[in-house]
Amino acid sequence: AQRVTQPEKLLSVFKGAPVELKCNYSYSGSPELFWYVQYSRQRLQLLLRHISRESIKGFTADLNKGETSFHLKKPFAQEEDSAMYYCALAGNQFYFGTGTSLTVIP
Amino acid sequence: NAGVTQTPKFQVLKTGQSMTLQCAQDMNHNSMYWYRQDPGMGLRLIYYSASEGTTDKGEVPNGYNVSRLNKREFSLRLESAAPSQTSVYFCASSEGRGRGPAEAFFGQGTRLTVV
Repeated sequence: AQRVTQPEKLLSVFKGAPVELKCNYSYSGSPELFWYVQYSRQRLQLLLRHISRESIKGFTADLNKGETSFHLKKPFAQEEDSAMYYCALAGNQFYFGTGTSLTVIP
Repeated sequence: NAGVTQTPKFQVLKTGQSMTLQCAQDMNHNSMYWYRQDPGMGLRLIYYSASEGTTDKGEVPNGYNVSRLNKREFSLRLESAAPSQTSVYFCASSEGRGRGPAEAFFGQGTRLTVV
């Protein structure tokens, strides 16, 4: 089975605090993992992918194959980071987690 | 470059009515998808098409049909709308695994209300 789990539906942090959005996956092959972000009433857009190992808007995510995790991290949260975040796995189809709604409190 | 375009953006239907959601992409992608987004449920795959001429059921296909009209277009049809189909629908496309970057590109969504 190929599944993506995001255990937190809601997450609130204060501005300037570190933030970590959790994602665990199960996949029988070599996974391609992504984080997508959806700002209020907008389309989903790619935030980052594990292959590129880049940092976008201060966010990073490291693929941990041993723990089958791909957690999203940012050391200092900003108010504009408030959004819905989806972890996704590309297999024969795209599998999305249920999403985590992040609220950054001023 | 328009990317993925969905029409309409908003729609209100009465129970039992039918309608078709249109989706087109101009990126020459092989794979296209229809998702529905509901609070607390995240994105759930309705149908997908790995290539022109093929379609497969996703997680929640009941009450829907799809047509991959050509490589660009992938439509979603509700034959007899039900209130449970009230949702936001997203179309997406990607190159397809093994054929290039797997990143999925999304349309702006269709907000459907069935009364």
